[in-house]
Amino acid sequence: EDKVVQSPLSLVVHEGDTVTLNCSYEVTNFRSLLWYKQEKKAPTFLFMLTSSGIEKKSGRLSSILDKKELSSILNITATQTGDSAIYLCAVGRSGGSNYKLTFGKGTLLTVNP
Amino acid sequence: DAGVIQSPRHEVTEMGQEVTLRCKPISGHNSLFWYRQTMMRGLELLIYFNNNVPIDDSGMPEDRFSAKMPNASFSTLKIQPSEPRDSAVYFCASSSPAGTDTQYFGPGTRLTVL
Repeated sequence: EDKVVQSPLSLVVHEGDTVTLNCSYEVTNFRSLLWYKQEKKAPTFLFMLTSSGIEKKSGRLSSILDKKELSSILNITATQTGDSAIYLCAVGRSGGSNYKLTFGKGTLLTVNP
Repeated sequence: DAGVIQSPRHEVTEMGQEVTLRCKPISGHNSLFWYRQTMMRGLELLIYFNNNVPIDDSGMPEDRFSAKMPNASFSTLKIQPSEPRDSAVYFCASSSPAGTDTQYFGPGTRLTVL
């Protein structure tokens, strides 16, 4: 069974700090790793990483995939209170029409002013 | 473009009642997913469809849960009879026909079973 583990479970920082969120996975026939941000509503897509795209960056957020270590990190620099959310990691596997994702439990990030 | 649409946004019902949740995926997307989210278990995949056909329903908790996708623009998740432990947020998500894994989520239905 596919498995995704995120750490830490929760994190409290002050505005301006830099944070690193971790995601490790065990999946047969890995295809992709995705990061989502969930505030008080639905998860919204941040990044997708694959073997052909192991590093992504958007503004203050960046993510790297380490296929050797079966893990990924999500970095947020110069955090703002608006970054407070649950960050979810998910992995997809290849094989036919199998497009389902397995999600981790998430990291709850709280950014205090 | 409209995103994934779900209704109702909130549902409060009594134990034993039938509950029907509805979802309209993004136009042109051919994969549709139903998830349940709770504090204890996180985000769990219940069932997903590809081209209106159920591909994997291994996450459906029990026979009280059923899902249908009669056409490319509509899906339902039904719980009959509902129980208090079904209380959760139910999300519908869809993904594009290009085979990308990126799923786009609807706003969710918060279900409370008393």
